Amino acid sequence: GESVGLHLPTLSVQEGDNSIINCAYSNSASDYFIWYKQESGKGPQFIIDIRSNMDKRQGQRVTVLLNKTVKHLSLQIAATQPGDSAVYFCAEWADKLIFGTGTRLQVFP
Amino acid sequence: DSGVTQTPKHLITATGQRVTLRCSPRSGDLSVYWYQQSLDQGLQFLIQYYNGEERAKGNILERFSAQQFPDLHSELNLSSLELGDSALYFCASSPYRGEHSYNEQFFGPGTRLTVL
Repeated sequence: GESVGLHLPTLSVQEGDNSIINCAYSNSASDYFIWYKQESGKGPQFIIDIRSNMDKRQGQRVTVLLNKTVKHLSLQIAATQPGDSAVYFCAEWADKLIFGTGTRLQVFP
Repeated sequence: DSGVTQTPKHLITATGQRVTLRCSPRSGDLSVYWYQQSLDQGLQFLIQYYNGEERAKGNILERFSAQQFPDLHSELNLSSLELGDSALYFCASSPYRGEHSYNEQFFGPGTRLTVL
């Protein structure tokens, strides 16, 4: 039931801790940056996006930070829960969605 | 549930064969996107249709083609299949607010294609 079986970097956190997932993007002309969550056997699910003229955006338990100087994007998940276990992809929009390689988040009780 | 449906869920076929994957977008969404998720390439954009017309192309092979019908459902046709075509194929839809504008995309559950 894994999404693809890719050899993905893995982040292991304890339930209740905060998680930080990082992503480097390539195109300085990208207009938007998006984080997706993909659970086993499912399609990617939108979490949060941020426009290129912003550096921070908050959602429910999630925060996205954008550093255009170093082309870096991060997703912070507060009080990580077992249901957060999934593969997380960053994506950039430049007339089409370009996905990063993904990070597997494992949450332990 | 994103509201995007894809059939079939699983497909097993042999090299050289042709298959058709089907996608129904969310109600009201005019734009459909196809993606391939493979072991070595990750998630890759293949093609986009808007209201029946091809709008953008990504890394889609010439052996692959797609179309969007008047009822807005879309089909992805894969022919002369090779072992390397084994992958998850996702469809996404969006309301499409402009040709170069970012539009939130809602993904279906995918079709897992296995080529033996």
